[in-house]
Amino acid sequence: GQQVMQIPQYQHVQEGEDFTTYCNSSTTLSNIQWYKQRPGGHPVFLIQLVKSGEVKKQKRLTFQFGEAKKNSSLHITATQTTDVGTYFCAGQEGGADGLTFGKGTHLIIQP
Amino acid sequence: DAGITQSPRHKVTETGTPVTLRCHQTENHRYMYWYRQDPGHGLRLIHYSYGVKDTDKGEVSDGYSVSRSKTEDFLLTLESATSSQTSVYFCAISEGGLAGSYNEQFFGPGTRLTVL
Repeated sequence: GQQVMQIPQYQHVQEGEDFTTYCNSSTTLSNIQWYKQRPGGHPVFLIQLVKSGEVKKQKRLTFQFGEAKKNSSLHITATQTTDVGTYFCAGQEGGADGLTFGKGTHLIIQP
Repeated sequence: DAGITQSPRHKVTETGTPVTLRCHQTENHRYMYWYRQDPGHGLRLIHYSYGVKDTDKGEVSDGYSVSRSKTEDFLLTLESATSSQTSVYFCAISEGGLAGSYNEQFFGPGTRLTVL
């Protein structure tokens, strides 16, 4: 079945440094979504990417979908303490119901 | 936040007892999902529903059953709980399920289940 790998598992950064998490699928995806989960909270939808090579920005967050639609990345510029949490990618194959989630990247920020 | 509630929010039970978790939505979304979240495993799909009385298995369905008799309610049952089912359980909803059909998922607050 479809597998979605996400790296790194943990990332420690100093506040103000940049952060990137990467997602790779074993199969070609129809779309990929990103979610954020704060400590003790529930996952919250951030964005969906659909087109090959697509790039979307949300303030300090930049999301990319690879040309082959098998990989994606989330980049945060100048991290802030409010960015703490776990970031999940979730991929979907065409014709399939639902998403396959990566295991997430835990972002830890040191002030 | 989308109108999703889960009950109970916390439960401690003993091995071998039946447990039912409830997910209730007020969004009238067609799709509902049950996930479990464990350290090192991320979110794993247990079962999902694409309509009333329409359900299907996910990645880790063994030991779990579900029912959906109304659009707004999706029940997850552990027929005979085991310690390996100690986890945090999340319910999620989406308008659509297939790619490109408003398929972003909205999650409930979660239920922390401990099986002793």
